[in-house]
Amino acid sequence: DAGVIQSPRHEVTEMGQEVTLRCKPISGHNSLFWYRQTMMRGLELLIYFNNNVPIDDSGMPEDRFSAKMPNASFSTLKIQPSEPRDSAVYFCASTLGEGYGYTFGSGTRLTVV
Amino acid sequence: DAKTTQPPSMDCAEGRAANLPCNHSTISGNEYVYWYRQIHSQGPQYIIHGLKNNETNEMASLIITEDRKSSTLILPHATLRDTAVYYCIVTNNAGNMLTFGGGTRLMVKP
Repeated sequence: DAGVIQSPRHEVTEMGQEVTLRCKPISGHNSLFWYRQTMMRGLELLIYFNNNVPIDDSGMPEDRFSAKMPNASFSTLKIQPSEPRDSAVYFCASTLGEGYGYTFGSGTRLTVV
Repeated sequence: DAKTTQPPSMDCAEGRAANLPCNHSTISGNEYVYWYRQIHSQGPQYIIHGLKNNETNEMASLIITEDRKSSTLILPHATLRDTAVYYCIVTNNAGNMLTFGGGTRLMVKP
């Protein structure tokens, strides 16, 4: 079991550019979550999917952020256009469902300059 | 979900038990207590969870008071690698949509 796989591990981009973060959940897990972590705000839930369907995106900060889950083994989080305040570590997590813990990926450290 | 209160930081001597408290006085009957930890620069790691009974696994023990208004995570023999931020989370839907607070920064010292 390779765990939750996120790519890239690090991303440095210029303000205004589009950024796409990728996540491969653990096979068989039916819920997937995107979190953002900053020093100021800690860990914030952005959006979560259940069986590939977005259930709650109330944490997505603004329309510049979008997330998709086209199939059970892949999800993307896109920021367009990116801004310096989007700099953070973005984590993806998956779980089998109720009563099971989350497994987090290693995160993507995004720096927008 | 019920709010939790944890001390911001704690120290523990290597080899001793680390007892991390969490208050969740507004917890309701169907809410679970989850514990995660985050070692520097890594993603959070699931430790243990429970509803009302005490729980134990290979990582830790979870003691929940009878009124369920507080709990304690016990690391029986802390090592330097247990230095991390420990998060206590209460959730009403068995683990979905976890909301992380500030956690307790545990420093294990030699």
